[in-house]
Amino acid sequence: DGGITQSPKYLFRKEGQNVTLSCEQNLNHDAMYWYRQDPGQGLRLIYYSQIVNDFQKGDIAEGYSVSREKKESFPLTVTSAQKNPTAFYLCASSGTAISYEQYFGPGTRLTVT
Amino acid sequence: DQQVKQNSPSLSVQEGRISILNCDYTNSMFDYFLWYKKYPAEGPTFLISISSIKDKNEDGRFTVFLNKSAKHLSLHIVPSQPGDSAVYFCAASSPGTYKYIFGTGTRLKVLA
Repeated sequence: DGGITQSPKYLFRKEGQNVTLSCEQNLNHDAMYWYRQDPGQGLRLIYYSQIVNDFQKGDIAEGYSVSREKKESFPLTVTSAQKNPTAFYLCASSGTAISYEQYFGPGTRLTVT
Repeated sequence: DQQVKQNSPSLSVQEGRISILNCDYTNSMFDYFLWYKKYPAEGPTFLISISSIKDKNEDGRFTVFLNKSAKHLSLHIVPSQPGDSAVYFCAASSPGTYKYIFGTGTRLKVLA
């Protein structure tokens, strides 16, 4: 049963702590993406990766970091430098990175207090 | 600078009627467009796409129309069903890029 999994569904952290969000896909997709969604806003791209061991900053990369050591996995770390980390985080993947639909995971709701 | 705009934050339609969701874009280089449907606290689900070489694409109850000269696309849902109630996002990408730009979404409510 192919798909994208994100864990956990809900995550709570204290301000000043780094936190890592998991994203795994078994679709054999080359490209993976991280977005964040805030109320009343669209999806904003944080980072994306076209191939293993390579990734690019999106529009709002400050305060975030990623790694792509395996094709299946693209974890996102929300660092203490991110000023407004509370948001809904979505991971996506696509077969190739150009002009193919992206498939999304169920999302992780991060709350930082 | 919002390159992809969905100017209607919400839309209500009677069950069985047509729902028309609109999306405007400013970048003439965009050549591929997607529509997604999203329920609260879930990831978006891909609905339908259209390439700039076409002006229409149909999939069951969903049809997307593209007007390149107006930089406008629309999603038609016919007939609308209560289960269609969700937030709909359009997204666009340019050739040779790996990024999609998403609109802010339109919340569709289909009334039974």
